[in-house]
Amino acid sequence: EVQLVQSGAEMKKPGESLKISCKGSGYRFSNYWIGWVRQMPGKGLEWMGSIYPGDSDTRYSPSFQGQVTISGDKSINTAYLQWSSLKASDTAMYFCARRSQSSRTITFDYWGQGTLVTVSS
Amino acid sequence: NFILTQPHSVSESPGKTVTISCTRSSGSIVSNYVQWFQQRPGSSPTTVIYEDNQRPSGVPDRFSGSVDSSSNSASLTISGLKTEDEGDYYCQSYDINTDVVFGGGTKLTVL
Repeated sequence: EVQLVQSGAEMKKPGESLKISCKGSGYRFSNYWIGWVRQMPGKGLEWMGSIYPGDSDTRYSPSFQGQVTISGDKSINTAYLQWSSLKASDTAMYFCARRSQSSRTITFDYWGQGTLVTVSS
Repeated sequence: NFILTQPHSVSESPGKTVTISCTRSSGSIVSNYVQWFQQRPGSSPTTVIYEDNQRPSGVPDRFSGSVDSSSNSASLTISGLKTEDEGDYYCQSYDINTDVVFGGGTKLTVL
């Protein structure tokens, strides 16, 4: 069974750093892109970027380029999303999702449970 | 780059049929497949339609998808509405430059 399990909720102060994780199981982790999606309180889904764990090829949405860093460790089937200096506006739910291997489309077929990040002084 | 525009909210009675639209701002809607996700409150999104009109296993055939090149839009139609269909629905497509593009989401209320 394919599963993406994300790290737990975080409460941080502005200016602090943070790294959240997404561990895949039930499939060959190296062979599928993993994407990160932000959902701000009461708002919609926003694609942040994706990583291919096999070679760490990474793509970012222009809206998030330079704001976050996406990385991965294929030896432990885990992808990461990190911030070097959090802002209150980073408060959101963050989902990781596996990109399907369809050659016909780009979409996500499995999602993690989400990690709630709260940034407040 | 393009954006996908959805109505903010729709509502309909149980047993009725509702259609949610998703209009592409530039480029042809038929250039890249459209997917639809359902997100119930407090849950992760799940796919209800992929590749314009395909249903994943386990999704009831009350859910259907289509695209219309004349209006440059995709549509999700849910027939025989049930209260369990309530939630937010997002269309999604992609662009070779920006990868994944989501619509703004539509809140479906079944009342």
